[in-house]
Amino acid sequence: KNEVEQSPQNLTAQEGEFITINCSYSVGISALHWLQQHPGGGIVSLFMLSSGKKKHGRLIATINIQEKHSSLHITASHPRDSAVYICAALRVNYGGATNKLIFGTGTLLAVQP
Amino acid sequence: NAGVMQNPRHLVRRRGQEARLRCSPMKGHSHVYWYRQLPEEGLKFMVYLQKENIIDESGMPKERFSAEFPKEGPSILRIQQVVRGDSAAYFCASSPMASGSHEQYFGPGTRLTVT
Repeated sequence: KNEVEQSPQNLTAQEGEFITINCSYSVGISALHWLQQHPGGGIVSLFMLSSGKKKHGRLIATINIQEKHSSLHITASHPRDSAVYICAALRVNYGGATNKLIFGTGTLLAVQP
Repeated sequence: NAGVMQNPRHLVRRRGQEARLRCSPMKGHSHVYWYRQLPEEGLKFMVYLQKENIIDESGMPKERFSAEFPKEGPSILRIQQVVRGDSAAYFCASSPMASGSHEQYFGPGTRLTVT
């Protein structure tokens, strides 16, 4: 079982729909990243959060530390939102020095006009 | 403030050759991370470096792969005697030193193709 699980793996939506992508993790974390990757493209960090909720434009990310669960929401989706969305957990640093990210497998989102 | 830079963006090597991938972190960042994305697979951690030190190389293959982050200049990921299975996108990320901020900023990646 992966330490970071995402669902769904694939998601097709119509333009304007509200979209939710879920991420669950089984390790202790100090923070969680949501990343965006366009096909053949680079990786953009959308959010890093360790509690509560963050909002940037049409994107909202929430995290529930007790339930080890995070969600990424996209309001009023647009075809340009089509990309792979990846959650990545920053493992708790127990006195060690590592700050490595553990990645989910990604959610491929296609928003149709 | 320029972002994380990687070069080359695309690299083609024949089997048995060496590949050298470069990563220049954002200004003021002294932590560098290398990740590999194999075709149709997710991202995997390879190595974490601070200036002149390898902190965690638990994700690096034991043979043929090495990384460095010298006092001056970019971080280098070196793959010796490349094989077809090394074909992948290699991303580096950087983060600021200390202060508790662990947000990582990613470079555009180097796409390595081994023929």
